[in-house]
Amino acid sequence: KQEVTQIPAALSVPEGENLVLNCSFTDSAIYNLQWFRQDPGKGLTSLLLIQSSQREQTSGRLNASLDKSSGRSTLYIAASQPGDSATYLCAVTTSGTYKYIFGTGTRLKVLA
Amino acid sequence: DTGVSQNPRHKITKRGQNVTFRCDPISEHNRLYWYRQTLGQGPEFLTYFQNEAQLEKSRLLSDRFSAERPKGSFSTLEIQRTEQGDSAMYLCASSSRQGSYTEAFFGQGTRLTVV
Repeated sequence: KQEVTQIPAALSVPEGENLVLNCSFTDSAIYNLQWFRQDPGKGLTSLLLIQSSQREQTSGRLNASLDKSSGRSTLYIAASQPGDSATYLCAVTTSGTYKYIFGTGTRLKVLA
Repeated sequence: DTGVSQNPRHKITKRGQNVTFRCDPISEHNRLYWYRQTLGQGPEFLTYFQNEAQLEKSRLLSDRFSAERPKGSFSTLEIQRTEQGDSAMYLCASSSRQGSYTEAFFGQGTRLTVV
């Protein structure tokens, strides 16, 4: 059974700091991994999708990497801003099924 | 394209009543998912459709829950005889496979409060 864990559960950093969010999964036979952002009381916004054959994806100040063999992904946020404050969730789809399994998220607060 | 649309955004109901939620996916997407999210937790998978076929259901989906996707377009999720434990955010997502690329897009959710 696929399980996804995100560390840390919460993070508070000063504005301008570079930071790394971690996601680990127990079954390396994944189809893809997707990072999402969720603002309080809102739905999920897709940030980056990494296919199983890829090692990383970049979008603006965001960079996500994937190491399937070790069951890990990291989301790197450069030059953090108060507007980045949100919960960040990672989700994987495992080969053979199209459902997404989510971690519990990392709640990020960027202080001005 | 306005993305995935969910209605209503909020629903307050008395325990024991039935509720129905609607999800309109992105028009060309053939897969549609329902998730439930409680405070401080990640979304939990409930069920998903490929076109009109319901391909997988979670054990979380008790007999009181039913989902449909007639004609492979919009979907409804009905909860019968609601209980206080059903209070949660219900999220809908859709995706479409393009080659080996499959990205899920979520709606804004329906927040259910059972009193």
